[in-house]
Amino acid sequence: AQSVTQPDIHITVSEGASLELRCNYSYGATPYLFWYVQSPGQGLQLLLKYFSGDTLVQGIKGFEAEFKRSQSSFNLRKPSVHWSDAAEYFCAVVTSGTYKYIFGTGTRLKVLA
Amino acid sequence: DTGVSQDPRHKITKRGQNVTFRCDPISEHNRLYWYRQTLGQGPEFLTYFQNEAQLEKSRLLSDRFSAERPKGSFSTLEIQRTEQGDSAMYLCASSPGLAGWGTDTQYFGPGTRLTVL
Repeated sequence: AQSVTQPDIHITVSEGASLELRCNYSYGATPYLFWYVQSPGQGLQLLLKYFSGDTLVQGIKGFEAEFKRSQSSFNLRKPSVHWSDAAEYFCAVVTSGTYKYIFGTGTRLKVLA
Repeated sequence: DTGVSQDPRHKITKRGQNVTFRCDPISEHNRLYWYRQTLGQGPEFLTYFQNEAQLEKSRLLSDRFSAERPKGSFSTLEIQRTEQGDSAMYLCASSPGLAGWGTDTQYFGPGTRLTVL
C-alpha cells in the first residue's frame, strides 16, 4: 500500500538558518508528490508539487523540493528560514488511479528568533 | 477565487447528537473531497465527489457518516449519533477536475473543528 513517512515530528531552527524537512514515500510507480503547510487556524496551503520532469521543483515562499527516486524521497528545503515559516508541514502522495491524497503525519517547525 | 469555505469553523456537541457541516468549493471546481484530521496526524481521506456523484468512500466513513453534493456545488457532511472518537478537524478540498488523477491539485478550506463531549 502507498504510504508517506515524515521521520521528524518536530524540528527547531534559528531564524536565517537553512531548513530541510524529510519525506519518504512508498509507491510502485512514479508518484505525484506534494508539500503543504498548515498554520494555526489556516487551511492547508500548497507549497509545491512534483509530477514529472525536472526533479528539483520550486515553490512559493522560497521553498524547493528535490525528488530522488533512488531514495524514495521528496525533501523540502529552504535556504534561510523566516520566523513566519513556523507551522506544520505535510508531505502527500496521490494514489494510483484515485484522487485521494495520502498524507504523512507532519513535521512541526519551530523558528527561534 | 475566494477559496474553499467551510461552516461552521467550530462545533461543540454532546455525544449522541447529530451534526452537519457545509463546504463551499472554489467556483466551478468539479471535484470535492472530505478529509478528517486528528491531533498529531495528517489528514485522512474520507470521500470524494465528481460533480454530484460520490465516487469513492473510505472505510473510515462508517454508517453514521453521510456526505452529499446534491447540485454539484456545495457539499454537506453529516455525522449521526456522534461519539467522542469523532472529535477531529474535518477538512474540505476542491479541485478543478480538468486534469487527470495525479495532476488535479486540491485546494483546502480552513476546516471545521468538532468537539464531542
